[in-house]
Amino acid sequence: KQEVTQIPAALSVPEGENLVLNCSFTDSAIYNLQWFRQDPGKGLTSLLLIQSSQREQTSGRLNASLDKSSGRSTLYIAASQPGDSATYLCAVPAGGTSYGKLTFGQGTILTVHP
Amino acid sequence: KAGVTQTPRYLIKTRGQQVTLSCSPISGHRSVSWYQQTPGQGLQFLFEYFSETQRNKGNFPGRFSGRQFSNSRSEMNVSTLELGDSALYLCASSWSGSIDEQYFGPGTRLTVT
Repeated sequence: KQEVTQIPAALSVPEGENLVLNCSFTDSAIYNLQWFRQDPGKGLTSLLLIQSSQREQTSGRLNASLDKSSGRSTLYIAASQPGDSATYLCAVPAGGTSYGKLTFGQGTILTVHP
Repeated sequence: KAGVTQTPRYLIKTRGQQVTLSCSPISGHRSVSWYQQTPGQGLQFLFEYFSETQRNKGNFPGRFSGRQFSNSRSEMNVSTLELGDSALYLCASSWSGSIDEQYFGPGTRLTVT
């Protein structure tokens, strides 16, 4: 059974810092890994999708890396801003015939203060 | 193109009542998945529909049911509501529901009193 863990659970940083969020998964046989952002009481916004054949994916100030063999992914946020404050979730497909099901980590709550 | 839409956005119901939530996927997407999100349990998978067929189901009681229409719109129904059903209900759509990117709607906040 796939399990996803995110560290740290919460992070508070001053504006302008570069930061790294971590995600680990127990079953390395994944097709892809997706990073989401969730603002309080809102839905999930897809940030990046990394295919299993890729090592990195970039979008603006965000860079996600994937190391399948070690069961890890990191989300790097450059030059953080107060608007980046949100909960960040990573998720992997449950696999096999488990259609439509993503297994999520518990999330990292990020606070960027001015 | 338009994103995933969910209606209603907020609902307040009384214990014992039933509720129906609606999800319209991104145009062309045929897979719709439903999740329940609570502070204590996080995101839990309810079920997935593809071409009007339920292909996958999570570990929820039979009070939770769903369906999908020919235009890929989906509804979920919760009967005999309990206080513990209070949650944010999210739906997600994708092309195939298998290994492609999933896009989530804004959610429906259900409060059971």
